[in-house]
Amino acid sequence: EVQLVESGGGLIQPGGSLRLSCAASGFTVSSNYMSWVRQAPGGGLEWVSHIYSGGATYYADSVRDRFTISRDNSQNTLYLQMNSLRADDTAVYYCATNTYDDYGLDYWGQGTLVTVSS
Amino acid sequence: AIQLTQSPSSLSASVGDRVTITCRASQGISSALAWYQQKPGKPPKLLIYDASSLESGVPSRFSGSGSGTDFALTISSLQPEDFATYYCQQFDTFSNTFGGGTKVEIK
Repeated sequence: EVQLVESGGGLIQPGGSLRLSCAASGFTVSSNYMSWVRQAPGGGLEWVSHIYSGGATYYADSVRDRFTISRDNSQNTLYLQMNSLRADDTAVYYCATNTYDDYGLDYWGQGTLVTVSS
Repeated sequence: AIQLTQSPSSLSASVGDRVTITCRASQGISSALAWYQQKPGKPPKLLIYDASSLESGVPSRFSGSGSGTDFALTISSLQPEDFATYYCQQFDTFSNTFGGGTKVEIK
């Protein structure tokens, strides 16, 4: 059974750093497209970053040069390193994947809340 | 980055109504589009992939159509459990942006 479990969220001061983790089971992270999506309180979904099985990475303009997506094949885990955090980064962060070679994210984690505030 | 314009942003409808939500891409994306349903406090749920393919387990009253720049999600007969927010997402290589969402409320 495919499962995604995010962790690492919490309260952080502006300018600080956090690393989110997404532990996967039931499939191999390195073989799949993986994505981070966030949702600010009361807001819509915002694509943050994705990584292809081949390793290419892409970022939304709002996080480029501050966030880094990566994966650890031995831990079967996806990461999001977040630096220079701002108040507008406050959101629930979801990891998601597509287990078939099609256009749609069929598995999502439950999300982890990041709050950036002094 | 490709922008997705979703409309309407909200609508009120009754059980049994036919509902259509549209999503327009700022440039052509072929069929690289998905539709999701989200309920409060839950992650999104995939309804339609590849613009018009129904995800396994999703009721057949949901359907997707379109290609290129214009897409639509249709619910043929709205059920009580369908009151939620719906999002489209495009899968260009470099960005996978979402539409702004459509909140479907009970009339």
